[in-house]
Amino acid sequence: GAVVSQHPSWVICKSGTSVKIECRSLDFQATTMFWYRQFPKQSLMLMATSNEGSKATYEQGVEKDKFLINHASLTLSTLTVTSAHPEDSSFYICSADPGLAPNEQFFGPGTRLTVL
Amino acid sequence: ILNVEQSPQSLHVQEGDSTNFTCSFPSSNFYALHWYRWETAKSPEALFVMTLNGDEKKKGRISATLNTKEGYSYLYIKGSQPEDSATYLCALKGRGSNYKLTFGKGTLLTVNP
Repeated sequence: GAVVSQHPSWVICKSGTSVKIECRSLDFQATTMFWYRQFPKQSLMLMATSNEGSKATYEQGVEKDKFLINHASLTLSTLTVTSAHPEDSSFYICSADPGLAPNEQFFGPGTRLTVL
Repeated sequence: ILNVEQSPQSLHVQEGDSTNFTCSFPSSNFYALHWYRWETAKSPEALFVMTLNGDEKKKGRISATLNTKEGYSYLYIKGSQPEDSATYLCALKGRGSNYKLTFGKGTLLTVNP
């Protein structure tokens, strides 16, 4: 149980285009999902916390107009990178919290984004 | 702000060797410490969640300890196998409204057959 999928697993796009990444909890409901980003040789860094039915909470330094998050249902959150630039190339990974003790987060396999 | 340091950054061991690596933190003002195992192209897998000083957890050949007074957690692998090869991540979960996970950079373990 507690499986989280992410789609696509990798994507290459041209500079200026937008890319949408989906995060789904397959066998549980998640009121809270998290989006992380990892640059090479760096740690996973939280970008934003996504709450079902409400606006996402962004971490300091993360542009909310550039990284649009929608958490439309208890099993789906999407991250849209708008007007992508090469510096947005990174590894994006989501996690979902089923709200059970001890507040475990279950991760998707991640999405590798390359912006040309 | 929580800081998490992991060491070593990477290590290579031979099959059958036992090994351990460290997660250190200057402040114990957190709710829980999490260990994850992350194989390439897969999702990070939760190994342990520890909250109390002196906690010891075990899952098969893998075990972990937590010492909040001295600011470290150890992860031990007994009799390493090639399938143990992965990146091991340590993360701290903050208290109250600061409930997010703060990750270390991980330790990349390679077990040679």
